[in-house]
Amino acid sequence: DIQMTQSPSSLSASVGDRVTITCRSSQYTGTRLNWFQQIAGKAPKLLIFAASTLHTGVPSRFSGSGAETEFTLTINSLQPEDFATYYCQQSYSTPHTFGQGTKVEIK
Amino acid sequence: QITLKESGPTLVKPTQTLTLTCTFSGFSLSTYGMGVGWVRQPPGKALEWLALLYWDDDRRYSPSLKGRLTITKDTSNSQVVLTVSDMDPVDTATYYCAHSAHADYVGYYFDYWGQGTLVTVSS
Repeated sequence: DIQMTQSPSSLSASVGDRVTITCRSSQYTGTRLNWFQQIAGKAPKLLIFAASTLHTGVPSRFSGSGAETEFTLTINSLQPEDFATYYCQQSYSTPHTFGQGTKVEIK
Repeated sequence: QITLKESGPTLVKPTQTLTLTCTFSGFSLSTYGMGVGWVRQPPGKALEWLALLYWDDDRRYSPSLKGRLTITKDTSNSQVVLTVSDMDPVDTATYYCAHSAHADYVGYYFDYWGQGTLVTVSS
């Protein structure tokens, strides 16, 4: 299985901050990397697929980059509704493993 | 508009087999590129990918569950069923089904999710 490692595991930030989350895969995954947002008690929502393509309806303050084994999710100008847990997932080979999550909390 | 909804028991006993149904609308699982998958999340823990059923009836499973999973489809009723055998308290989790979209050179990604259903394993 491909292992996905996110860093940090949690962070505290203020409204308006720029936040960056890193995801590393244990093997090559090309650009088959997806990002999800999960608000507590709710189902995950797709933010970005194919490393950098914004899903329909996702605000442009979210962006993704990277390839091969290192990827980044950036949130520009953090908004109150962005406080949540974020997961990366590789879809290069099954099982399509998830990272352990990064919890973004209010400072 | 794509929607999915999970249904099944909320409580199962150890060693029993769990059967979950995902009822969906807004797409056909017979259409090229479509897929439906299952993901679970133990309370307070991370997401875990379980299984994926593709439009061409190809099925993929998580090796970590060691043959306990079976995913099937009922195309006429727009449903996908997941069974998990030999349930254990560590299998207590919220189980989600999700629509898997596909694009050339991009691969598959879960773009729409059900609300999830919490399954507790206890005697």
